[in-house]
Amino acid sequence: AQSVSQHNHHVILSEAASLELGCNYSYGGTVNLFWYVQYPGQHLQLLLKYFSGDPLVKGIKGFEAEFIKSKFSFNLRKPSVQWSDTAEYFCAASPRAGGSYIPTFGRGTSLIVHP
Amino acid sequence: DVKVTQSSRYLVKRTGEKVFLECVQDMDHENMFWYRQDPGLGLRLIYFSYDVKMKEKGDIPEGYSVSREKKERFSLILESASTNQTSMYLCASGPGERAFFGQGTRLTVV
Repeated sequence: AQSVSQHNHHVILSEAASLELGCNYSYGGTVNLFWYVQYPGQHLQLLLKYFSGDPLVKGIKGFEAEFIKSKFSFNLRKPSVQWSDTAEYFCAASPRAGGSYIPTFGRGTSLIVHP
Repeated sequence: DVKVTQSSRYLVKRTGEKVFLECVQDMDHENMFWYRQDPGLGLRLIYFSYDVKMKEKGDIPEGYSVSREKKERFSLILESASTNQTSMYLCASGPGERAFFGQGTRLTVV
């Protein structure tokens, strides 16, 4: 069965600090990879996604993620965080199974940014 | 904008009650999902459906069932609610390459 691991459960940063959140997946075949974000009191939103092509993916709000196939990783980065980035971040992977798209999520990383 | 609407934001039910959580999407998506979100456990898939009247078990289907009679509506049913089903329930739909989420229903079983 596929799984997604997020190594950082809680991250606390000051504004302008750099961010890197780790994500590893376990699946032998081709996967689509995602980062979702959940701001306090809001629904989950897609931050960025990788299907194929350039392994460095740019998302919204200055986020980016790099797919490293050899490491089964898809880490999220932002060079300078803002207070408004305080949220919970979820990495997800979805291989195709029986023609359906079924995302598996990691346990999430809670990010708190101090002003 | 895609809209995934869950019928209730907050619900309080008694142990043993039958509970229905409703979800409607307005984008004609084939795939619909029910997850539960618990602190430290992330999102765990309960059931999903890739077509009307089609359903598949996810990772934690025990104690739950689902119904999809129309393409836009996917219902989660707790046949006999228990306190360990107290959680945030998230519905999602998608065209096949990503998921759009509803606001969630926070269910408390007392």
